[in-house]
Amino acid sequence: ETGVTQSPTHLIKTRGQQVTLRCSSQSGHNTVSWYQQALGQGPQFIFQYYREEENGRGNFPPRFSGLQFPNYSSELNVNALELDDSALYLCASSLGGTGHSGNTIYFGEGSWLTVV
Amino acid sequence: DAKTTQPPSMDCAEGRAANLPCNHSTISGNEYVYWYRQIHSQGPQYIIHGLKNNETNEMASLIITEDRKSSTLILPHATLRDTAVYYCIVTNTGKLIFGQGTTLQVKP
Repeated sequence: ETGVTQSPTHLIKTRGQQVTLRCSSQSGHNTVSWYQQALGQGPQFIFQYYREEENGRGNFPPRFSGLQFPNYSSELNVNALELDDSALYLCASSLGGTGHSGNTIYFGEGSWLTVV
Repeated sequence: DAKTTQPPSMDCAEGRAANLPCNHSTISGNEYVYWYRQIHSQGPQYIIHGLKNNETNEMASLIITEDRKSSTLILPHATLRDTAVYYCIVTNTGKLIFGQGTTLQVKP
């Protein structure tokens, strides 16, 4: 419905492993942001990508990294998984960049990650 | 930290208007007010946003005070499906800092 698609929808990983989550932004949107939402909490901003460059980062360690591709799709990579990384990971896309001009920001349905 | 303050919970009768307040007393001149809602286990759903003028769309109306220090989201005829957590966010960068939001319970 929002045009933002995420995959996979659910996955289970073992502590210490690495995971890659994917996001396809809405057509024409050049900015993608990633959020982590632990159970019972509001989403927390991880980082934002604008035209393939990181454009702001929240309070997350370097083992959280990302990429944005020329078609503006994006990946979130998490290395050395910890139990506390279990959460819903959300992707949001918009048309914008360094100068936000009040464009609509749409979220995908998220990827549920469970670390055991 | 979130730059907005919202009541933790509210109730509304089905069919009545739901008025959800948000305080953003430290808002700067170029920050927009965004409203999202989230139903359990789903991604946040965009509702509406504005800068200083009141806004209306098919889902809701956004009333922003003249000094821009507070706003109200109005759902004109609440239904049971409007039961959700509602987030008010201000931003001028497109990076959304979520607070705890308001849990709206629509009752029959």
